[in-house]
Amino acid sequence: DADVTQTPRNRITKTGKRIMLECSQTKGHDRMYWYRQDPGLGLRLIYYSFDVKDINKGEISDGYSVSRQAQAKFSLSLESAIPNQTALYFCATSDLSGLLNEQFFGPGTRLTVL
Amino acid sequence: AQKVTQAQTEISVVEKEDVTLDCVYETRDTTYYLFWYKQPPSGELVFLIRRNSFDEQNEISGRYSWNFQKSTSSFNFTITASQVVDSAVYFCALSEANTGNQFYFGTGTSLTVIP
Repeated sequence: DADVTQTPRNRITKTGKRIMLECSQTKGHDRMYWYRQDPGLGLRLIYYSFDVKDINKGEISDGYSVSRQAQAKFSLSLESAIPNQTALYFCATSDLSGLLNEQFFGPGTRLTVL
Repeated sequence: AQKVTQAQTEISVVEKEDVTLDCVYETRDTTYYLFWYKQPPSGELVFLIRRNSFDEQNEISGRYSWNFQKSTSSFNFTITASQVVDSAVYFCALSEANTGNQFYFGTGTSLTVIP
């Protein structure tokens, strides 16, 4: 089983709808992240969380909100989806207890807002 | 300001040619990490390598090699004898200790290997 899972993997929705993307991990990591990927722009950080009670805005947080329900779960919400939020969304986890500092990525969620 | 610059947007090579993907980074931290990820057409991100700022040794892994030079703030990636399966988008990323180890990604280089 994958260590970092994302649901749904694909979603098509309409402008104005509320959407939630979910991320779960079995790695036991404290830190979780949400990124979006747009063609030619690479991955940009939306929100990140260093533990259950910690939420931080990233580079492009406007129009998004997150919830860290448990150490293993980190959800991204679009309260009122708009077409320019059409993108590939990645969840990631990391653990700084060691020195590896690697981020482990989920498989991505492809979101289309019509 | 862009912390990680991948100036090459797209590269095409013929199979068996060598190709180097450039990555230039910017940081004031003395402790940082550099990464390369591969994104094949299927979309997932595949970790390739991690380097910390205290280890400038170059690394070779099969047909892949990485050249880390702090003097030029570069962390270039070379694929030797390229293959069609190397076709993908490659991302370079920087993580700084003083910014909570956030990742900063470059915009990616799309590599196409022509058979």
